Amino acid sequence: KQEVTQIPAALSVPEGENLVLNCSFTDSAIYNLQWFRQDPGKGLTSLLLIQSSQREQTSGRLNASLDKSSGRSTLYIAASQPGDSATYLCAVPYSGGGADGLTFGKGTHLIIQP
Amino acid sequence: IAGITQAPTSQILAAGRRMTLRCTQDMRHNAMYWYRQDLGLGLRLIHYSNTAGTTGKGEVPDGYSVSRANTDDFPLTLASAVPSQTSVYFCASGEQPNTEAFFGQGTRLTVV
Repeated sequence: KQEVTQIPAALSVPEGENLVLNCSFTDSAIYNLQWFRQDPGKGLTSLLLIQSSQREQTSGRLNASLDKSSGRSTLYIAASQPGDSATYLCAVPYSGGGADGLTFGKGTHLIIQP
Repeated sequence: IAGITQAPTSQILAAGRRMTLRCTQDMRHNAMYWYRQDLGLGLRLIHYSNTAGTTGKGEVPDGYSVSRANTDDFPLTLASAVPSQTSVYFCASGEQPNTEAFFGQGTRLTVV
């Protein structure tokens, strides 16, 4: 059964810093990996999707990398801003169980201090 | 563009009552999903549908049923609600299974 772990669980930093959020998964046979952002009381917003054949994806100040063989992904946030404060979730498709859908990590709760 | 619309946004429900959470998408996506999000447990898959007319069970399907009569709608029914079904429910869709997933804004359900 696929398991997804995100470290750290929470992070508080002053604005302007560059950040790295970590995600690890136990089954490396994944189609892709997706990073989401969730604001309090809101739904999930898709940030980046990395296909299994890709090493990284970039969108603005966000860069996500994927190392399938080691079961790891990182989300790099450059020049953090208070508006980046949110919970960041990574997810990979189910494996081995026959179900389609995503297995999620429990998220990193990020606070950017003005 | 509406994307995914869930209704209601919140609901307080008496235990034992029947409830249907509605989900509609206007992106003509084939795959649709229902998740529940609970503090400390994260998001877990309840049911999914890879295309209209087919459904499947996820990680936590007990007490829930779904139908997929057409591409756009994927309702989730609680036949007889119990307090442990208190949660935030999210509907999601993707163009195909295992492609980028897009989420609705959620339904906050409290069963008392």
